[in-house]
Amino acid sequence: QKEVEQDPGPLSVPEGAIVSLNCTYSNSAFQYFMWYRQYSRKGPELLMYTYSSGNKEDGRFTAQVDKSSKYISLFIRDSQPSDSATYLCAMTVSTAGGTSYGKLTFGQGTILTVHP
Amino acid sequence: KAGVTQTPRYLIKTRGQQVTLSCSPISGHRSVSWYQQTPGQGLQFLFEYFSETQRNKGNFPGRFSGRQFSNSRSEMNVSTLELGDSALYLCASSLEADTDTQYFGPGTRLTVL
Repeated sequence: QKEVEQDPGPLSVPEGAIVSLNCTYSNSAFQYFMWYRQYSRKGPELLMYTYSSGNKEDGRFTAQVDKSSKYISLFIRDSQPSDSATYLCAMTVSTAGGTSYGKLTFGQGTILTVHP
Repeated sequence: KAGVTQTPRYLIKTRGQQVTLSCSPISGHRSVSWYQQTPGQGLQFLFEYFSETQRNKGNFPGRFSGRQFSNSRSEMNVSTLELGDSALYLCASSLEADTDTQYFGPGTRLTVL
């Protein structure tokens, strides 16, 4: 079983829809959570970074973390065709002890298409 | 500020050859991590360097190696290439701490024939 599970989709929604992307994880040591967006033939671009349970909002994006359920979500409001990309969740542990330097563990990525 | 740069962007090699990929981090960033991205396995961590020292390594065979220079630029090397090494190789840089945000480069797409 993978440490991080993410539904690969694909997910297709009409412009203006609210999109919900989700990841579950099994390692309770994960403390820092990220969402990246990756366009075709590009590197991942950081969208959201959070380390506490609850919601964090940035423009049309809201990241939600529920550590008790080991579940994170990304919501995109008023989705646009330019949001069409692969969305990757990523997480890492706190390195008190220094055993996880630089290591992000990623989900498989969800392919999102927003059609006009 | 310029982003993370990787060279070359595309590479075609044959089985048994070796390859070296280069990564220049964002100015001031001292940590460089490398990842392999394939359709089947997704993004997998290869290794991380800080101040010319490898601090962490993923579960890849010894054919995969890397190094970091005093200016924080990093290279990774893959020896005795196999067909399964075909992938997008991404490097990411961060300031220094383990939980600092990682910024990714565009990647080097390696095709092994």
